Amino acid sequence: GAVVSQHPSRVICKSGTSVKIECRSLDFQATTMFWYRQFPKQSLMLMATSNEGSKATYEQGVEKDKFLINHASLTLSTLTVTSAHPEDSSFYICSARETSTLVSTQYFGPGTRLTVL
Amino acid sequence: DAKTTQPPSMDCAEGRAANLPCNHSTISGNEYVYWYRQIHSQGPQYIIHGLKNNETNEMASLIITEDRKSSTLILPHATLRDTAVYYCIVVTNFGNEKLTFGTGTRLTIIP
Repeated sequence: GAVVSQHPSRVICKSGTSVKIECRSLDFQATTMFWYRQFPKQSLMLMATSNEGSKATYEQGVEKDKFLINHASLTLSTLTVTSAHPEDSSFYICSARETSTLVSTQYFGPGTRLTVL
Repeated sequence: DAKTTQPPSMDCAEGRAANLPCNHSTISGNEYVYWYRQIHSQGPQYIIHGLKNNETNEMASLIITEDRKSSTLILPHATLRDTAVYYCIVVTNFGNEKLTFGTGTRLTIIP
């Protein structure tokens, strides 16, 4: 099956610093990737849709200047949490849309747990 | 996208079939039914999807009613590793379709 990786799997940083999370589709090309956030005991919430070669589309309430998304190639999207604060501590998960078959499917990465001290 | 309704939790004995129901009474003609599961502290795992015909793969079977207003995911021989939150999602299959995760069903496999 299609594989999506994320790096790092876990990161701890100080308040005010920036953190970059990478999402890669390992065995397929993805023109569209998605970024989700999940707080403890809650479901996944979509943050933004990332399209290769164009600007990301952010969901309502998600600050685009705080969560910078870059999708520079068909296999890599990055999410940068700028000036992170403790309330940004969460589980960040990406997905990539695989379209080689007639019916596309989103495959998810293993997630990145961010802790801001 | 249409909303789905799932029971919040279910138990199933190890080795037995786990049948997870999902109601999607407002599903439209071009929307597919997808199932994902999330094991604790991991990203969601794709299981199966279907439009109107029943589907089977190496992980599970998906039974969709004729009127498409509900479906059942069947794990034929549940193991302890199947303990997870299972999400039923209906979504169109073109463009930048978004997956909207509800609260899902927390399935616990009992030894």
